[in-house]
Amino acid sequence: DQQVKQNSPSLSVQEGRISILNCDYTNSMFDYFLWYKKYPAEGPTFLISISSIKDKNEDGRFTVFLNKSAKHLSLHIVPSQPGDSAVYFCAPREMTTDSWGKLQFGAGTQVVVTP
Amino acid sequence: NAGVTQTPKFRILKIGQSMTLQCTQDMNHNYMYWYRQDPGMGLKLIYYSVGAGITDKGEVPNGYNVSRSTTEDFPLRLELAAPSQTSVYFCASSYSTASVNTEAFFGQGTRLTVV
Repeated sequence: DQQVKQNSPSLSVQEGRISILNCDYTNSMFDYFLWYKKYPAEGPTFLISISSIKDKNEDGRFTVFLNKSAKHLSLHIVPSQPGDSAVYFCAPREMTTDSWGKLQFGAGTQVVVTP
Repeated sequence: NAGVTQTPKFRILKIGQSMTLQCTQDMNHNYMYWYRQDPGMGLKLIYYSVGAGITDKGEVPNGYNVSRSTTEDFPLRLELAAPSQTSVYFCASSYSTASVNTEAFFGQGTRLTVV
């Protein structure tokens, strides 16, 4: 029972262009949606989050959009840089938890930024 | 600050052997977690702890045990290792109170192979 789906296992984008990563979920109890970034042989690191009461959150080159009615969110990276090549995980948390670490992770999207 | 430190980084176990994965954090976080990541999948929560002396099961606890005798340490014990426990294991920590919440910080991971 996958509550979080990232249907694109990989994404290749040219340097300077926009990367768009998608995430779909089924659980209406999710109240915060986090994105984590992971380089090979390292642990995931927090990138950006959005509350369920918002539809957009922006931090520098990273913007997350939430469509609550469609249970869909997306992460935009503009412009994409070679250092953005990594695996990106969508990781929502349930409103019943008071912890920011009890998360449901999607399978991840491998982003490759080419020169 | 070292953050979250996991040892060992790699380990090969024979079926039926046991081992302890070590995790320590120096950020005075009250919450600690163990996740596992199988190939092509997202991270799944094994066990978590809300403070010293308190542990609880996550999504996939079978075959594992944990203890939390101090704030800093959260070891994960595998008894009678099975091939299904071949995975990458991540320890994480976060801080949560009624007024403050941090995202989870992850260690670098332990790659375990059971043969």
